[in-house]
Amino acid sequence: DGGITQSPKYLFRKEGQNVTLSCEQNLNHDAMYWYRQDPGQGLRLIYYSQIVNDFQKGDIAEGYSVSREKKESFPLTVTSAQKNPTAFYLCASSMFGPGGNTDTQYFGPGTRLTVL
Amino acid sequence: QKEVEQNSGPLSVPEGAIASLNCTYSDRGSQSFFWYRQYSGKSPELIMSIYSNGDKEDGRFTAQLNKASQYVSLLIRDSQPSDSATYLCAVNPTFNKFYFGSGTKLNVKP
Repeated sequence: DGGITQSPKYLFRKEGQNVTLSCEQNLNHDAMYWYRQDPGQGLRLIYYSQIVNDFQKGDIAEGYSVSREKKESFPLTVTSAQKNPTAFYLCASSMFGPGGNTDTQYFGPGTRLTVL
Repeated sequence: QKEVEQNSGPLSVPEGAIASLNCTYSDRGSQSFFWYRQYSGKSPELIMSIYSNGDKEDGRFTAQLNKASQYVSLLIRDSQPSDSATYLCAVNPTFNKFYFGSGTKLNVKP
């Protein structure tokens, strides 16, 4: 089955710790994204990547880091510099459409991060 | 001004009625528009995409796009309790940019 997987489903972090959230896709999509969702709010873009070994900051990149060493994988590290990391983290991927624009985004199941 | 605006709701409709969800966007050059459904605690799932002015129908769902008014809507016919969720409007104004509204919560009452 093609899809996007995220792990772990739940993650607990102590103050001062870095944690890494996994995102893998087997859809052969070029672009991958990380979003953060806080209760009752929309999605805010953290980072995105169009191709391997290249990524760009989104609207709220401070305190986060990413890598794109393989087309299928786009892990997100939440560093200790992120002061309020408790949130629902969503990974998404998309193909490039006929006009060169990115087409529909599909989402993984998400990781819920809680700071203890 | 937010890039995508939605009424947060909740919108309550009786079972079997038509639910109408609305979304406005600010970037006049936007070309691609999407509706996602998100159940509580779950990730968004795509319902429909629309690219051209007019209506697009898929089963009980109809998306409507009016680029001149910068307005997108989603109609759900014969609403069911299982349709109760938050509906997110998304707009793709430029290459690799997606903007999401904060969502409208829909309650379908049996």
